[in-house]
Amino acid sequence: AQSVTQPDIHITVSEGASLELRCNYSYGATPYLFWYVQSPGQGLQLLLKYFSGDTLVQGIKGFEAEFKRSQSSFNLRKPSVHWSDAAEYFCAFTSGNTPLVFGKGTRLSVIA
Amino acid sequence: GAGVSQSPSNKVTEKGKDVELRCDPISGHTALYWYRQRLGQGLEFLIYFQGNSAPDKSGLPSDRFSAERTGESVSTLTIQRTQQEDSAVYLCASSPGGRGGNEQFFGPGTRLTVL
Repeated sequence: AQSVTQPDIHITVSEGASLELRCNYSYGATPYLFWYVQSPGQGLQLLLKYFSGDTLVQGIKGFEAEFKRSQSSFNLRKPSVHWSDAAEYFCAFTSGNTPLVFGKGTRLSVIA
Repeated sequence: GAGVSQSPSNKVTEKGKDVELRCDPISGHTALYWYRQRLGQGLEFLIYFQGNSAPDKSGLPSDRFSAERTGESVSTLTIQRTQQEDSAVYLCASSPGGRGGNEQFFGPGTRLTVL
């Protein structure tokens, strides 16, 4: 079955520390991959996407993600976390113009 | 360039009542999606419209849920005889459609509370 796994429900990092959020997908071909962020009471904002080409993609707010076909992974990274990055992060994929399959999300807390 | 809008932003209703949620997609977007986000959960797909094709209703959880879309514009999601488990944030998204992958642009959502 098609699915997305975000193994970390909640992560806490110190401000200024690096961050990596894990995402693994289950799909029979190369999907279109996305990371969205949702701040409390807000809608979903796209951070970055991978469609094809360079497997390291840059997004907004200093985030990047790397697609690794061999590991069926699309992990999100940021070298230095800011307090404003505290939010819920969702990994998702689609096979084309089809509904997104979402992970259950990872909640990021940032401490001083 | 307005984004996706949804109304109402909040809806409180009593168990057993019907509710209607509205979504205005980005102009020109042929694809429209409804998702549901229950507390502490990821997003669940409900229904998908693409142009004039028959909608993909495979995500609707029961026959109490239905949705319509007029052409390539407004969509309404109707929940009949609401139950407490229907309490969630209902999110609408639109995308340009066509071949290949496209980014889905999300609205702010409607928070539904069923008492």
